[in-house]
Amino acid sequence: EVLLEESGGGLVQPGRSLRLSCVASGFKFDDYAMHWVRQAPGKGLEWVSGISWDSGKIGYADSLKGRFSISRDNAKNSLFLEMNSLRPEDTALFYCAKGEWGDLLSTFDYWGRGALVTVSS
Amino acid sequence: QSALTQPASVSGSPGQSIIISCTGTSSVVGSYNFISWYQHHPGKAPKLIIYEVTKRPSGVSNRFSGSKSGNTASLTISGLQAEDEADYYCSSYEDSSPSVLFGGGTRLTVL
Repeated sequence: EVLLEESGGGLVQPGRSLRLSCVASGFKFDDYAMHWVRQAPGKGLEWVSGISWDSGKIGYADSLKGRFSISRDNAKNSLFLEMNSLRPEDTALFYCAKGEWGDLLSTFDYWGRGALVTVSS
Repeated sequence: QSALTQPASVSGSPGQSIIISCTGTSSVVGSYNFISWYQHHPGKAPKLIIYEVTKRPSGVSNRFSGSKSGNTASLTISGLQAEDEADYYCSSYEDSSPSVLFGGGTRLTVL
């Protein structure tokens, strides 16, 4: 069974940083691309960032470039999202999602339950 | 504003069929067969129900089907059931960025 478990969410002040983690199980992690997708309160899904199986290709939503950084540790079946200079509008439920194949752009065939990030003073 | 446009809401009665459209540009929808559809019940993880325009993952009901014509992709749900009430999102790629795009989402209400 494929499982994706996010952690690291919480309440953070504007301008501060936060690091999200996603631990994967039930599949060969280093064969697949991984992604972060977020949903702000009352809004739709928004792709945040993705990383190919070997970290060779990385993509970010245009609105986030320079503030967020995605990485993965294949030895630990883990995906990360480093978020800097957080803003109130970054408040959202952040989902970890598995790519259908190893290249960066792919369908998301499994999703985690999400980690809530609240940016507020 | 999303590059993929969906109706904000649709509704139907049990047993009926509904169609949700997803309209984009030729560079996002028309030229590719990488349209996916996701079902999202609030509080749960989103679920892939259609990929590559028409394909269904294992375990997804055949009441869900996908199609595409020109720059518009469509999700059809036949034999509506109460548990189909959810939000539905289309998705595609944009090679130039590269990035993944989502439609704004459609809330399906089963009357």
